[in-house]
Amino acid sequence: QSVLTQPPSVSAAPGQKVTISCSGSSSNIGNNYVSWYQHLPRTAPKLLIYDNDKRPSGIPDRFSGSKSGTSATLGITGLQTGDEADYFCLAWDNSLSAGVFGGGTKLTVL
Amino acid sequence: QVQLVESGGGVVQPGRSLRLSCVASGFTFDSHIIHWVRQAPGKGLEWVAVISGDGTTKHYADSVKGRFTITRDNSKNTLYLEMNSLRVQDTAVYFCARQGSGLDNWGQGTLVIVSS
Repeated sequence: QSVLTQPPSVSAAPGQKVTISCSGSSSNIGNNYVSWYQHLPRTAPKLLIYDNDKRPSGIPDRFSGSKSGTSATLGITGLQTGDEADYFCLAWDNSLSAGVFGGGTKLTVL
Repeated sequence: QVQLVESGGGVVQPGRSLRLSCVASGFTFDSHIIHWVRQAPGKGLEWVAVISGDGTTKHYADSVKGRFTITRDNSKNTLYLEMNSLRVQDTAVYFCARQGSGLDNWGQGTLVIVSS
């Protein structure tokens, strides 16, 4: 049972938009930054969003992040088959003094 | 360019120990906080431990606290994870990751299999 809650899976057609939610509490998301990662099998995870809503250089603006209260959301527009992957949110938890990941969301581009 | 290369994984029996290494290059190593993250087979990412740039501050996941120790040798640009009293549940690919703005650079991972 992950501290941060994500839907196990989401799906959408190519070209469409999808959002992935990440729900936590005041000890993590509510008072700390959220980052998002894309993970393909047998590869290193890739940073997509940091500090809730900022994109590293090289990440297309199809990817966006937002945070409200104790929840965060990753948005992906103009879906491509290459976006099929697992997506994880991460935040620091002040009560645990530990990093906490969401359980991950598998994106299927139909 | 920034590079992180893990090593030290392998097959080990329950209760035994293993030390993982992560060699960094392409950036000022001692200026960065570094994390260990793992992924068990068929599972999601799990945060394991973190160490400050000077090595004085460390934090651990409850699942490894008291068994794993994170250290670093800044003179060698190397991060370590000493894993003791290994359990079958510790079987995973272990990644080291640099904290810049988010965990912005990751190694490719090293596989640890705990099995009798």
